[in-house]
Amino acid sequence: DTEVTQTPKHLVMGMTNKKSLKCEQHMGHRAMYWYKQKAKKPPELMFVYSYEKLSINESVPSRFSPECPNSSLLNLHLHALQPEDSALYLCASTEGGYTGELFFGEGSRLTVL
Amino acid sequence: AQSVTQLGSHVSVSEGALVLLRCNYSSSVPPYLFWYVQYPNQGLQLLLKYTTGATLVKGINGFEAEFKKSETSFHLTKPSAHMSDAAEYFCAVTLSGNTPLVFGKGTRLSVIA
Repeated sequence: DTEVTQTPKHLVMGMTNKKSLKCEQHMGHRAMYWYKQKAKKPPELMFVYSYEKLSINESVPSRFSPECPNSSLLNLHLHALQPEDSALYLCASTEGGYTGELFFGEGSRLTVL
Repeated sequence: AQSVTQLGSHVSVSEGALVLLRCNYSSSVPPYLFWYVQYPNQGLQLLLKYTTGATLVKGINGFEAEFKKSETSFHLTKPSAHMSDAAEYFCAVTLSGNTPLVFGKGTRLSVIA
């Protein structure tokens, strides 16, 4: 099983809503990532969890709140988002370290109204 | 600092023609180099990577890339383009594997029948 599963695939929310994006992997990987990708742009790193601890936060606004409940799950809690936060949010995992292959999910496409 | 530059935001080739996507990197220490592909409405998938050793790297789907230190390049090639190769291609670099990947801006490959 070499999949990273993301739910939901599509999400539309208002600026006052609270929602969550979920990511799951069963490859035994110890590092999990959240990326944000705008149309026709490369993925931008948001957060990295290593061994279930937050190791990198790329100065992401606090309206995005990551959570890693266990080594297989990664959540991204969303609150009071802005329309410019509309994007494709990609989850990825690696065995550990940055030289290994990043396994990406298909992404959650978020639209903020 | 590390960075990667992809020359050409859009490349168009005829089916059966050579594919050449250019990537140059900037790194003061030995780089680890990657090519990822993204098909529409999907996450990214690793095509190939260079860490150490042989400078000609073969990947999936008939792609290969050659690490040329003297030219600070890692260009991606495929002898014969197929319609299914139409996608966005991202070159990425990490400094000695100690920092998260930095992605280039991407090159969109179109294949004309």
